[in-house]
Amino acid sequence: SQKIEQNSEALNIQEGKTATLTCNYTNYSPAYLQWYRQDPGRGPVFLLLIRENEKEKRKERLKVTFDTTLKQSLFHITASQPADSATYLCALPAYGSSNTGKLIFGQGTTLQVKP
Amino acid sequence: ETGVTQTPRHLVMGMTNKKSLKCEQHLGHNAMYWYKQSAKKPLELMFVYNFKEQTENNSVPSRFSPECPNSSHLFLHLHTLQPEDSALYLCASSQDFEGGPIGNEQFFGPGTRLTVL
Repeated sequence: SQKIEQNSEALNIQEGKTATLTCNYTNYSPAYLQWYRQDPGRGPVFLLLIRENEKEKRKERLKVTFDTTLKQSLFHITASQPADSATYLCALPAYGSSNTGKLIFGQGTTLQVKP
Repeated sequence: ETGVTQTPRHLVMGMTNKKSLKCEQHLGHNAMYWYKQSAKKPLELMFVYNFKEQTENNSVPSRFSPECPNSSHLFLHLHTLQPEDSALYLCASSQDFEGGPIGNEQFFGPGTRLTVL
């Protein structure tokens, strides 16, 4: 079955540094991958989508890479700020479900940016 | 109201109670979802509706009964729940799946924090 792994340990970094979060997956090749941000007690908020034919995607201080050979996506936040502190989730379409909305989520990595 | 709203935000119920969760989206979407988020576990998809038709039931126990009367509203009817059903229940919406680009982003509501005693 599909498996998504995100580092369950919290990531603590200093303000201004680049945060890098990892999402590894197994057992199939998804057509795309999404990243979401979730603050405590709130619903996730969509950040970026990257498709299998894209190596890299950027949005302001965010950058996502997608390595289909390694079966890995990296999520970078440059010039991090305390307001970036949150849990970041990666999500893939369920196997055979690229156009059905059925997403499988990782358990998320909590980022703490210290001033 | 904008985005996706959910009511109530908090709910405490006994195992013999019957209650309903409500979700409303104001984004003009045609697909809606229910997710369950338990502590220390990933988001679990429960149900998917596309144009009011249920397209996914992720092996959810029958004590959870969804209802989608139109593309803007989604309900989750609860009865005879167990304490292990205590969790954050999230509703989401997205563009529909027919003819559109794959990978539509999902817009989530704030969730209902459910506690079953």
